[in-house]
Amino acid sequence: GENVEQHPSTLSVQEGDSAVIKCTYSDSASNYFPWYKQELGKRPQLIIDIRSNVGEKKDQRIAVTLNKTAKHFSLHITETQPEDSAVYFCAASIGDDKIIFGKGTRLHILP
Amino acid sequence: DAGVIQSPRHEVTEMGQEVTLRCKPISGHNSLFWYRQTMMRGLELLIYFNNNVPIDDSGMPEDRFSAKMPNASFSTLKIQPSEPRDSAVYFCASLFSGANVLTFGAGSRLTVL
Repeated sequence: GENVEQHPSTLSVQEGDSAVIKCTYSDSASNYFPWYKQELGKRPQLIIDIRSNVGEKKDQRIAVTLNKTAKHFSLHITETQPEDSAVYFCAASIGDDKIIFGKGTRLHILP
Repeated sequence: DAGVIQSPRHEVTEMGQEVTLRCKPISGHNSLFWYRQTMMRGLELLIYFNNNVPIDDSGMPEDRFSAKMPNASFSTLKIQPSEPRDSAVYFCASLFSGANVLTFGAGSRLTVL
């Protein structure tokens, strides 16, 4: 069925190091892949997205890569800072509008 | 724009009571989604509407849950009767069909005792 798998569930990195979160999806027709950041007690907020006609997208310290053949995509955060600590969700579109989410990765930035 | 508006922000109720959560999507958005968030299951899609019509309710857990969208600016999610395992944060989100960018409301935190 429709599924988005996300790994790892928890990730701790030293401040200044890079963090990578990986997701796989099951529906080969998926064509839109957003990433959301959720701080404690807040709503998920879009931080970056990528469409299937693009292999990579960057926005300052954040980048997303997509491998359509393998049906996986990744979030890369470089030069991590304390404010990057949050839960990150990947997601994939199913059909026209339906968007389903992975289970989330809790990222801890260690001082 | 005020964004997606949800009410109530917090609800504490006793098992067996009816719970109604409300959502006003962003003006101009024509797709509306209800998600449930728990530690164990993450963000689960319960149901979504397009142009006020329910398109996919396969995520609704059981008959105790129902959702309506009587017009383009209002939706409700009802749980009757509520159970302790329904305790979660319920998010409403909306988008303009085809644009894909999903915007979330602040969520309704439900506690069923």
